[in-house]
Amino acid sequence: DSGVTQTPKHLITATGQRVTLRCSPRSGDLSVYWYQQSLDQGLQFLIQYYNGEERAKGNILERFSAQQFPDLHSELNLSSLELGDSALYFCASTPFGQGKSYTFGSGTRLTVV
Amino acid sequence: GIQVEQSPPDLILQEGANSTLRCNFSDSVNNLQWFHQNPWGQLINLFYIPSGTKQNGRLSATTVATERYSLLYISSSQTTDSGVYFCAGLSGNTPLVFGKGTRLSVIA
Repeated sequence: DSGVTQTPKHLITATGQRVTLRCSPRSGDLSVYWYQQSLDQGLQFLIQYYNGEERAKGNILERFSAQQFPDLHSELNLSSLELGDSALYFCASTPFGQGKSYTFGSGTRLTVV
Repeated sequence: GIQVEQSPPDLILQEGANSTLRCNFSDSVNNLQWFHQNPWGQLINLFYIPSGTKQNGRLSATTVATERYSLLYISSSQTTDSGVYFCAGLSGNTPLVFGKGTRLSVIA
């Protein structure tokens, strides 16, 4: 157990729907990062939050949004889902800001049918 | 942002063989990590190694920061070593950037 908890582990939903993925960082970690891994692809950075504030944004679609709550857990919201959104979504955390070792959760496997 | 290149893209080994995976960076990095993604998709942190050499059992890693590359050594490979190995780095305040990975298959 890495200490980063992601729920749910698996999610199957239909095109056009909206889902929410949840991430609880390691105890004491202030930064949360979201990554997307499509089939046979590397990991693409989506967005980072640090202590509740958006810190960096990558290749995140406008249909996707995220937030980090006062208890530091984060949610990634995916709306108007398309078949191409099917992927593994990972969350990672670090103690503060950038640098240091990233710890990844076990991921949420999203299948859009 | 930085570019991360990994080689080889695919590797097939007989159980018991040794291997070296390489990672090149387009710019200097202040964070470099190696990960193993197992066949079930779990991403496991192997090494945090912005410079120097570290060893953990049959695995070791060396990063030569001045020459912008890192190597991951796997000795006496086992079938459980199969999966995809990713290196990732960051420069300055950018988030971690991943390479495309090396897919390793260890055959009994």
